[in-house]
Amino acid sequence: GAVVSQHPSRVICKSGTSVKIECRSLDFQATTMFWYRQFPKQSLMLMATSNEGSKATYEQGVEKDKFLINHASLTLSTLTVTSAHPEDSSFYICSAKPVGDINTIYFGEGSWLTVV
Amino acid sequence: AQKVTQAQTEISVVEKEDVTLDCVYETRDTTYYLFWYKQPPSGELVFLIRRNSFDEQNEISGRYSWNFQKSTSSFNFTITASQVVDSAVYFCALSEAYGNFNKFYFGSGTKLNVKP
Repeated sequence: GAVVSQHPSRVICKSGTSVKIECRSLDFQATTMFWYRQFPKQSLMLMATSNEGSKATYEQGVEKDKFLINHASLTLSTLTVTSAHPEDSSFYICSAKPVGDINTIYFGEGSWLTVV
Repeated sequence: AQKVTQAQTEISVVEKEDVTLDCVYETRDTTYYLFWYKQPPSGELVFLIRRNSFDEQNEISGRYSWNFQKSTSSFNFTITASQVVDSAVYFCALSEAYGNFNKFYFGSGTKLNVKP
């Protein structure tokens, strides 16, 4: 079946550095991908909608200059956490919507980010 | 606005007991999708079921069953004869169905502990 892969699955970075997380659809094309964040023991909250070839749409309260999203191809969206701080430590998960299929969406396996 | 409420934060049962996880949703859309996902400690979201708003038939899949009632805006999930492997956090989610987008609105999750 369709698979959405995230890389890295776990990353530890130093405070003040930037870290990039990739969301890749392995056997389908996706014009739209979504990024979610989940703090420990909390629910998943939508951060932004990633649109291929155009700017991402951010949810209210999400800093677009801190969470840079690039959707440069139909199979890859990247989330870059810039100048990461310990409070950015979270589980980040993406989902991808296959082109031409309005009824299906696939989630990635998620990426654990720890900022020390 | 879309909203999903899972009032049960945590439930503990003994193996072989039946358990029902509650989900209540709010939406002004007439067409929408409802989902249940299982999230084990590793973090990935395991898809369990999707229901569209026009299909109120209850569904049974092995030990799992779902009761969708539009009149009460509820989509409850029952596990029969629970097993230790069922221990996880379960999320109910609502997805928009219009346009080409599938934003998900997740409930806060219910942590299920099944004890041997």
